[in-house]
Amino acid sequence: DAGVIQSPRHEVTEMGQEVTLRCKPISGHDYLFWYRQTMMRGLELLIYFNNNVPIDDSGMPEDRFSAKMPNASFSTLKIQPSEPRDSAVYFCASSLPAGGTDTQYFGPGTRLTVL
Amino acid sequence: GDSVTQMEGPVTLSEEAFLTINCTYTATGYPSLFWYVQYPGEGLQLLLKATKADDKGSNKGFEATYRKETTSFHLEKGSVQVSDSAVYFCALTHYGQNFVFGPGTRLSVLP
Repeated sequence: DAGVIQSPRHEVTEMGQEVTLRCKPISGHDYLFWYRQTMMRGLELLIYFNNNVPIDDSGMPEDRFSAKMPNASFSTLKIQPSEPRDSAVYFCASSLPAGGTDTQYFGPGTRLTVL
Repeated sequence: GDSVTQMEGPVTLSEEAFLTINCTYTATGYPSLFWYVQYPGEGLQLLLKATKADDKGSNKGFEATYRKETTSFHLEKGSVQVSDSAVYFCALTHYGQNFVFGPGTRLSVLP
């Protein structure tokens, strides 16, 4: 099992540019979560999906952020336009509660720097 | 809503010292409780878990017991190593659908 895969691992961009982060969950997992981690705010849940449907997006900071899950094996988090305060590490995680395990498995993260 | 409180640290110990990181929670019903660990530059990894009252989770010398009466899940290790230096997160979930994480506790172990 390859685990949760995220790309890119590092992204450096300039203010105003569009940024797209990608995530491939563990095969068969039906829940997918996007988190943001900063020194100031710690780990924040942005949005999570169940069976490709967004369930709770109350953590999405503002309209500049959007997330999609077009199929069970792929999700994107897009920031448009990006701002320096978006600089953080973004994590994707997946889980399979219906499978009898409620453990959440994290990807390695994408470190985003907005100049 | 549900919440998790843990000592924020940083905690600095000498190698072979005893470790305790306190975690208390507020939640309805009987959530599952977790400790995750994050090593520098990596994502969070599951360290141990407990799914019902009085269960003890253990892994790599770490232990935590689900105490319903005190709503606690304190992490302990009898003898820490330099390689245990990391950030430790306490978390809870109901049925694995939504997770609530504590703020994390940074542990530094000195040789």
